[in-house]
Amino acid sequence: TQLLEQSPQFLSIQEGENLTVYCNSSSVFSSLQWYRQEPGEGPVLLVTVVTGGEVKKLKRLTFQFGDARKDSSLHITAAQPGDTGLYLCAGARSNYQLIWGAGTKLIIKP
Amino acid sequence: KAGVTQTPRYLIKTRGQQVTLSCSPISGHRSVSWYQQTPGQGLQFLFEYFSETQRNKGNFPGRFSGRQFSNSRSEMNVSTLELGDSALYLCASSLPGLAGGEQFFGPGTRLTVL
Repeated sequence: TQLLEQSPQFLSIQEGENLTVYCNSSSVFSSLQWYRQEPGEGPVLLVTVVTGGEVKKLKRLTFQFGDARKDSSLHITAAQPGDTGLYLCAGARSNYQLIWGAGTKLIIKP
Repeated sequence: KAGVTQTPRYLIKTRGQQVTLSCSPISGHRSVSWYQQTPGQGLQFLFEYFSETQRNKGNFPGRFSGRQFSNSRSEMNVSTLELGDSALYLCASSLPGLAGGEQFFGPGTRLTVL
């Protein structure tokens, strides 16, 4: 059972376009983390959102945590080839365990 | 501050053999988690160690085991290797005491089972 659903699974767009990827669950999390992984490397933490309704911005990336702390979105403005990678979300539970989504594979074409 | 290091980076084994992978966490991080990543299954949680004790465990067979030493370094062992064990094995460390602490990943060990 996949407790964290990420969509879309795969996205290929042109440089300069905007996009949104989603991370949804029926469970409540104490916090939610977003990671980006490039080929041949381990995932790198981008951001952690903690409060329901919280919005965090990281340059062209905007992260939002749902009011009920069950879902999150990542919006990229004016995507660039350097944004290419696998985007993973992970929800934190109170028993120290992280629940991982399957990831969104993003390709930005020049 | 040095990042998480994993050794070896690449490994080729044959079916039936066993393998030991090593992970050195970031200094001060007492939690170490292990993951298996494959194209078909994505990132799968193996187990987490905190202060030399296994704190959480994923749904993997007993062939997969691990341990953590007093200096927080960790090893994982896979016995009786199967073809399906071919994967990228990632180690991640995090700060102590935080529920679902932010993970700092190593570059991984790419294991190929022939």
